[in-house]
Amino acid sequence: NAGVTQTPKFQVLKTGQSMTLQCAQDMNHEYMSWYRQDPGMGLRLIHYSVGAGITDQGEVPNGYNVSRSTTEDFPLRLLSAAPSQTSVYFCASSYSRWPVGTEAFFGQGTRLTVV
Amino acid sequence: SQQGEEDPQALSIQEGENATMNCSYKTSINNLQWYRQNSGRGLVHLILIRSNEREKHSGRLRVTLDTSKKSSSLLITASRAADTASYFCATDISSDMRFGAGTRLTVKP
Repeated sequence: NAGVTQTPKFQVLKTGQSMTLQCAQDMNHEYMSWYRQDPGMGLRLIHYSVGAGITDQGEVPNGYNVSRSTTEDFPLRLLSAAPSQTSVYFCASSYSRWPVGTEAFFGQGTRLTVV
Repeated sequence: SQQGEEDPQALSIQEGENATMNCSYKTSINNLQWYRQNSGRGLVHLILIRSNEREKHSGRLRVTLDTSKKSSSLLITASRAADTASYFCATDISSDMRFGAGTRLTVKP
């Protein structure tokens, strides 16, 4: 049982490049989300999904796209990387969120640097 | 904007002492959770307390919730060097979960 798996662990991009951060979970969780963590800012929600085919925006969605074609996978796409997107990205999943929340399981993170 | 705010931002104590961290939030919640993050790692769930609960225990952890003051506290008793980490509170708002900026706890041996 791997939990939440994120790939890659590290990535360096040039400004303007695009890429996809992968996230997969094997716990059959309906709810998945993406956060970015910047120094002193805590975690900020980018996008989330309450089930396959359903996604919604969080606090800081600009510059990112998501899709959820399967329960297991929730990739995050950077459309045209900018230095402001340099951050550590975390994917999380949980059994439920609303109205009865349960604990979230986090991946180990992807450290992204945009130069 | 972030929903929760932890206080203090940083805390340094000696091994064996108790550590108390506080979290304040802005809107009504269904539940509040505490997570730990070791340096360079993902977050790990510690405890969840629902809005109709006032106190919850898990091992050396004690969490309280005061919905009238929109605040929660996390107490770690008899701290150990291995407790050194950042601690975050998270609140459920509708279908998403929002985190505070965290408290950085250092436990000196």
